[in-house]
Amino acid sequence: KAGVTQTPRYLIKTRGQQVTLSCSPISGHRSVSWYQQTPGQGLQFLFEYFSETQRNKGNFPGRFSGRQFSNSRSEMNVSTLELGDSALYLCASSSGDSFYEQYFGPGTRLTVT
Amino acid sequence: AQTVTQSQPEMSVQEAETVTLSCTYDTSESDYYLFWYKQPPSRQMILVIRQEAYKQQNATENRFSVNFQKAAKSFSLKISDSQLGDAAMYFCAYRSANNNNDMRFGAGTRLTVKP
Repeated sequence: KAGVTQTPRYLIKTRGQQVTLSCSPISGHRSVSWYQQTPGQGLQFLFEYFSETQRNKGNFPGRFSGRQFSNSRSEMNVSTLELGDSALYLCASSSGDSFYEQYFGPGTRLTVT
Repeated sequence: AQTVTQSQPEMSVQEAETVTLSCTYDTSESDYYLFWYKQPPSRQMILVIRQEAYKQQNATENRFSVNFQKAAKSFSLKISDSQLGDAAMYFCAYRSANNNNDMRFGAGTRLTVKP
């Protein structure tokens, strides 16, 4: 099986702009979770989508949003970018069962200038 | 809220030796899952081992094993016969058995393996 893929791998944006990141889960996986990883805050959970519905949500402002399509691919959008949004954004997919193993993608490195 | 604490920011081990990484967590729940993830310099996170809280038996995966102490809320990872490829950031993670809870990660422990 192909692994989790994320595009783009690197991105440079300016403050105030918006950005959309994409994640393609492993075939057959219905759950996609997004995480933000920074040196200062570590790994923080953003949200999880399961069968096109947001199932869980972390403690992030409304500027961070996401969606999931019928083929389980997911997008994450960040509007009005701030310098503090610079981070590695990781996507993880799983089958969605209550006890599941998450498979992570390589991440998208977002730099906000 | 559940929190996960990894008190060792960095650890070092000699090749072929054994090292133990510590993890404690705080929760009021009785049913949950614990994980150890490895993040090599290439950045792709890989699941190392997992443990269901209702199981008393400690999980083992080849050279990796855990010491799960539910009452103490402790979940340490032991790496035996350390190899150079074990060098990475190791993250301890907690997930509630309830679907409405997210995955909580510790701050990570950077493991260096000396040849």
